[in-house]
Formats: sequence, structure tokens, C-alpha cells
Amino acid sequence: DAMVIQNPRYQVTQFGKPVTLSCSQTLNHNVMYWYQQKSSQAPKLLFHYYDKDFNNEADTPDNFQSRRPNTSFCFLDIRSPGLGDAAMYLCATSREYIGTGDQPQHFGDGTRLSIL
Amino acid sequence: GEDVEQSLFLSVREGDSSVINCTYTDSSSTYLYWYKQEPGAGLQLLTYIFSNMDMKQDQRLTVLLNKKDKHLSLRIADTQTGDSAIYFCAESSGATNKLIFGTGTLLAVQP
Repeated sequence: DAMVIQNPRYQVTQFGKPVTLSCSQTLNHNVMYWYQQKSSQAPKLLFHYYDKDFNNEADTPDNFQSRRPNTSFCFLDIRSPGLGDAAMYLCATSREYIGTGDQPQHFGDGTRLSIL
Repeated sequence: GEDVEQSLFLSVREGDSSVINCTYTDSSSTYLYWYKQEPGAGLQLLTYIFSNMDMKQDQRLTVLLNKKDKHLSLRIADTQTGDSAIYFCAESSGATNKLIFGTGTLLAVQP
């Protein structure tokens, strides 16, 4: 059974048109992460939430924002997508931060975003 | 700095062993991970190793860690065509469990 669920699997939007990607989890994990993976590249962390505390990576563009209305759901909002934002977006969760022991991240299947 | 490197491509015959190598630079990494990514899919956690261990075995998978050389390897015994995928190593960085991924190794298994 899928534990980290991303919707939709494929998303097409127009240049400059806001888009929202969704992630939900049934694991009741405290931490939720969003990664961007461009073609033939490694995933790169955009930001993460610990519960409701938001943590942005220093080089994440201002165009990217996130919301976490409750433990189960987290959204990635791209305000004005450019052609360079076409990528696979991966959501992951972990129960806690690493300092409390082994806390592997569990990934969803991703949403592939195309920009027209 | 944070930098994780892997060879780009590995080709093996079905039934042979595969060894995928990874080097990392953050000596403070607590855990090191191996993920598998099939085409168009997300990342599947395969296995991970705590930094004070030098070996971990899990069925067909063996992870070796040389902390002195900052070298990690994943050995897949009796490689099958279903093992064809991209394999990413990753190190945990800092207190927030941020993952720094390697460049990925494409494993091609020939029947």
C-alpha cells in the first residue's frame, strides 16, 4: 500500500500559470520534504517542514512556496512557472530528524511537471 | 563541502554480481543510503548503513563502508533484469536529515 502519495503523477501547465502539486502520507511522520529532480540529475532539496515549522534551502527560488495544513498533507506551489521549472518533483517523509536515530526518508512516486 | 560522486554507468550480465561505487565528502554524515529509481518513478529505499558500521548485508544486497576513504559501495548478488535502474547513494547532512544525493549510476542488466 502506498504510504506517500503524490497527485497528480503528470501535470502540464502553461508558462507563468500557477500550479500546485500535492503530497499526502499515511505514516504520521513529522517531517515532509520536497525535492526537485531535473532530467538526468540527482534530486535536490527545495524545503521541508518539521510539523508546521517551514525550512527553506538557501538556493530555492522565491517562485517556489509550500503549505502544510495538517500532518498528512503538504503542497508545493509554483507561482509563475518558467521553462526551467520542468522537472520531477518528489515528496518524502521521515518520522523524525536524524538525531533521534535512523530515520530513512520514504519517497512518493513523484509528479512530472511539464511547462508549455 | 557536500559532494557525492558515482560512476555514471554499469553494465553486467544476468546472474553476475554488480558493484556500484560512491564517494562522499562530508565526514560527519551519520547515515548513508542507497535508493533505486526505475524510469518515471520515485525513489525506492533499498538499504542504509550507520556510519560506525563497515558492512551491512540484506538478502542480495551488501553495503560496504570505508569511512577513512569516504567510500561506499553496493553489491547486488545474482543480478536480475528487474534490477535495471538508476541507483543513487545519498548522505545525510546536518541535524535536519537533509539528503545529499550522488549523480546516480545507471545499471543495465543484459540477459
